[in-house]
Formats: sequence, structure tokens, C-alpha cells
Amino acid sequence: QQQVKQSPQSLIVQKGGISIINCAYENTAFDYFPWYQQFPGKGPALLIAIRPDVSEKKEGRFTISFNKSAKQFSLHIMDSQPGDSATYFCAASMSGGGADGLTFGKGTHLIIQP
Amino acid sequence: DAEITQSPRHKITETGRQVTLACHQTWNHNNMFWYRQDLGHGLRLIHYSYGVQDTNKGEVSDGYSVSRSNTEDLPLTLESAASSQTSVYFCASSESGRASETQYFGPGTRLLVL
Repeated sequence: QQQVKQSPQSLIVQKGGISIINCAYENTAFDYFPWYQQFPGKGPALLIAIRPDVSEKKEGRFTISFNKSAKQFSLHIMDSQPGDSATYFCAASMSGGGADGLTFGKGTHLIIQP
Repeated sequence: DAEITQSPRHKITETGRQVTLACHQTWNHNNMFWYRQDLGHGLRLIHYSYGVQDTNKGEVSDGYSVSRSNTEDLPLTLESAASSQTSVYFCASSESGRASETQYFGPGTRLLVL
């Protein structure tokens, strides 16, 4: 049973555009929702994270929107740049994500065209 | 600088052989995790540990084992390698509890089982 569903699988956006990646979860016990960015040949790295007590979190060009009632959250990348080309994973966990493992979505391969 | 390292970075082995992948972190983190990454599956949790002498099974633990004899290391052993275990393996670590939720990932080990 896939607990975190991510879409789309791949995404092509023009430079300067907005990239949007969506995730939906099933387990209402999840209380921590991070997004990880992965470049080829590297391990994933935390990009931004949110807890369900807020509906939006913004860090620079990256914003997470969270809809608790719909059990959905999304990543928005504003003014997308070629350097943002990477694979993005949404994830979810219970107990803050420190002590327990993360449940990941299947990933979105993002390409920003110059 | 503190870091998390994995070795080897690449490994080719034969079906039925025992293989051990090393993970070493210098952050003094109590929590350590092993994930595997496969195309179309994202990252899936294999095993995790809250501290010395503690180990727990994750989503895909069959055929794998870990041991934690000190804070810095969590080696992953494939008891009898199978072709289905061809994958990229990532180790991660995090601080204890909810105060710091970020999981820091190593660079990965690419394993091919022939």
C-alpha cells in the first residue's frame, strides 16, 4: 500500500516559470512533511518541511502548501532556474521524522529548460 | 566538518554471496537509517536504529540485517545477495527526538548483484 502518492513523475518547465509537484497521503497519523531534493549521483538533501499546524511555509523561491482536510501537500518553485533541475521527493513521517524513518513518494524528475 | 560516508561507492557481487555495506557518520547522531532507491519506487526504509544495540525493521527488511555496536557506524549486511537486491543504497542519520527532524543522507552505494 503506497502511503504517499506523488505526481507528476516528470515535469518540464521553462526558465522563470513555476514548478508544481503534488503529493497526497493516506495515514492521518503523519505529522511531518518534508521535501527532499536529489541531484544525480548524490544523496537526497532536505529542501523544506512543514507540519500540519500551518497551511503554508515559504523559504526563498520554495513554498509548501498544505491541505490537512484533503490530505494533500504541494511544492511550488517560483522563478524556476536550470539549477533546480533535479529529482524531488515528498515524504511523510510520524513523531517528527527524527526517530522514525520517512515514507517517500516515488519522486518527480524536474527539468528546467533555459 | 561533520559528515556521513558510505563505502564502497560501487559494488558488484554474485548471487548468494554475503555483502556488507558500510555507513559512518561523524555528527554523533543517535538515529541512523538505511534506505534503498529503485526506479519507480522512490526510497524505501530497510532498517533503522535509535542508538547502540538498538535495531528495527523497516518496510523492506527481508534479506537484510544491521548491527549497531557504536554511535558512528551502522553496517548493512545482505545475508545471501539476490538479483532483486540490485539497487542504490543510502544511509542517513538524524539527531534524537523531535528537536531536529532533518535526516542527512550519505552519497549512496550502487550495488549490482549478478
